[in-house]
Amino acid sequence: QKEVEQNSGPLSVPEGAIASLNCTYSDRGSQSFFWYRQYSGKSPELIMFIYSNGDKEDGRFTAQLNKASQYVSLLIRDSQPSDSATYLCAVNGYSNTGKLIFGQGTTLQVKP
Amino acid sequence: NAGVMQNPRHLVRRRGQEARLRCSPMKGHSHVYWYRQLPEEGLKFMVYLQKENIIDESGMPKERFSAEFPKEGPSILRIQQVVRGDSAAYFCASSPGSENQPQHFGDGTRLSIL
Repeated sequence: QKEVEQNSGPLSVPEGAIASLNCTYSDRGSQSFFWYRQYSGKSPELIMFIYSNGDKEDGRFTAQLNKASQYVSLLIRDSQPSDSATYLCAVNGYSNTGKLIFGQGTTLQVKP
Repeated sequence: NAGVMQNPRHLVRRRGQEARLRCSPMKGHSHVYWYRQLPEEGLKFMVYLQKENIIDESGMPKERFSAEFPKEGPSILRIQQVVRGDSAAYFCASSPGSENQPQHFGDGTRLSIL
């Protein structure tokens, strides 16, 4: 079992819709969860981070965490073509060394 | 520019040469992380450093790769006797303090081996 799993996609949504990106992780000791956006040929850009169970909202983005189910998600409301990118889920690794374990990423396509 | 600074942006080496990649963390950040992204693959952790200390090098290949973060100056990722398989994007990230805090990435160094 991979440590952090994401559906590679592509996930295609129409402009203005809600995009839902999902991620599961295997290490129950993980405490920090991050979403990064990566455009082709560019570096990862931090979008959201969440530490506690529940929802965390920032503008059009909402991160959701359920530690019991080892599940974290990212919702993007009012999706725009500029949101088209690969979204990387990252989890703080074992023993909180700071090491981030990344999923393979989900490619999101927002169609005008 | 107060972001994470990496140089060079692109580096071309012939097989057997050495590659040196540099990273200056964001102002106020004391924790540096190196990741590698191979073509069509995900980001993989390599090493975590604080000033003058290697905290976690569990992702570093056992041979040819080394990293340092001296008291003065940038962090250096050094690859000796490069091989074609070392071709990748190498990203540096930094965070301000505790291991749980978000990491911010530099623009990366694209390493190509001829």
